[in-house]
Amino acid sequence: DTGVSQNPRHKITKRGQNVTFRCDPISEHNRLYWYRQTLGQGPEFLTYFQNEAQLEKSRLLSDRFSAERPKGSFSTLEIQRTEQGDSAMYLCASSQSVGGETQYFGPGTRLLVL
Amino acid sequence: AQSVTQLDSQVPVFEEAPVELRCNYSSSVSVYLFWYVQYPNQGLQLLLKYLSGSTLVKGINGFEAEFNKSQTTFHLRKPSVHISDTAEYFCAVSEGGAAGNKLTFGGGTRVLVKP
Repeated sequence: DTGVSQNPRHKITKRGQNVTFRCDPISEHNRLYWYRQTLGQGPEFLTYFQNEAQLEKSRLLSDRFSAERPKGSFSTLEIQRTEQGDSAMYLCASSQSVGGETQYFGPGTRLLVL
Repeated sequence: AQSVTQLDSQVPVFEEAPVELRCNYSSSVSVYLFWYVQYPNQGLQLLLKYLSGSTLVKGINGFEAEFNKSQTTFHLRKPSVHISDTAEYFCAVSEGGAAGNKLTFGGGTRVLVKP
């Protein structure tokens, strides 16, 4: 299977702890996106990379959130000092930069902050 | 800025009946339009997309959608649903031709197919 993969699939943490999620995109895709989906809502854009460069960040991405894609392949999303409001599904997607209108999504990481 | 409104949060429908899910969008520029399906505790799967050309777009699993530029709609239809179509459906828009092409999603429509 060469689709987008995300790890872990589920994460339970206590308020105030730091968490890190990983996304591995489809191998030939150089764009990678992070979205957040809260219960009963559609996904909301957080940030995206083209290769290793982070080109856009949403105002939803507070200073407790940081995303990296150091070698232009996999990406990590870290949340520091988690709050209960961070509980959500975090979705990763990838696409090609040329003719890359379509984003392909991973299964998501579901975060629960207690 | 773009926005997407899915007019129905839930749509109950009997098996083998037709279904239509409504999607209205607003944008000041040309757009690409998408429908994704999400099964419980899973990511999003692309059903179909409109980039250009024919306004009637056919997708997987018997779904189709029609792009109406004057009314800024992109409604999704299926002539005969199956139990397996029970899922949440999301309409999304991105800025046509723009670098990045981030998606703006509607709030979703939950389809419940009854036997």
